[in-house]
Amino acid sequence: RKEVEQDPGPFNVPEGATVAFNCTYSNSASQSFFWYRQDCRKEPKLLMSVYSSGNEDGRFTAQLNRASQYISLLIRDSKLSDSATYLCVVIPLSGGSYIPTFGRGTSLIVHP
Amino acid sequence: EAGVTQFPSHSVIEKGQTVTLRCDPISGHDNLYWYRRVMGKEIKFLLHFVKESKQDESGMPNNRFLAERTGGTYSTLKVQPAELEDSGVYFCASSQRSWGGYTFGSGTRLTVV
Repeated sequence: RKEVEQDPGPFNVPEGATVAFNCTYSNSASQSFFWYRQDCRKEPKLLMSVYSSGNEDGRFTAQLNRASQYISLLIRDSKLSDSATYLCVVIPLSGGSYIPTFGRGTSLIVHP
Repeated sequence: EAGVTQFPSHSVIEKGQTVTLRCDPISGHDNLYWYRRVMGKEIKFLLHFVKESKQDESGMPNNRFLAERTGGTYSTLKVQPAELEDSGVYFCASSQRSWGGYTFGSGTRLTVV
């Protein structure tokens, strides 16, 4: 089982749609969680951290379920500019150090 | 604030040659990471520096890869000799904390032919 698994993509949605991505992780000792966004041929950029109580940033909502070991990202009112790959990043504590671990990413395509 | 800078942005080398990638982290960031993304695969951790010390190099694929961070500022990643499977995008990231807040450089696209 991969350490971090994400929904297979691509997700192809019309503008204005609501779309949700899930990500599961295998290491129960994971400490921190993030969603990154990566545009084609660009570097990953931090979209938002994921807190235990859930958090919202504009149209984006992130949730964490430690018991089930998954995190989610909800995008409301999708924009064309939301088209990108969304990377789930989990930070487990392993051998005394934190090793950021990436999922393969989920591709989102928002069309007019 | 200047971001994480990587050089070169692209490199095409022949199998057996040597290539050195450079990463300049954000000033004041003690943590520096190297990652690699092979086409179609997830971004894989290579190693982690805290200042000039290697905190974790468990992701380094083999002894053809050598990373250094002399003086705790910029870092280099040398591949010698390069093999075809080393092709991919090599990202560097830095952070103040070791558990988050990573800022990535734009990557070096390495092609070994």
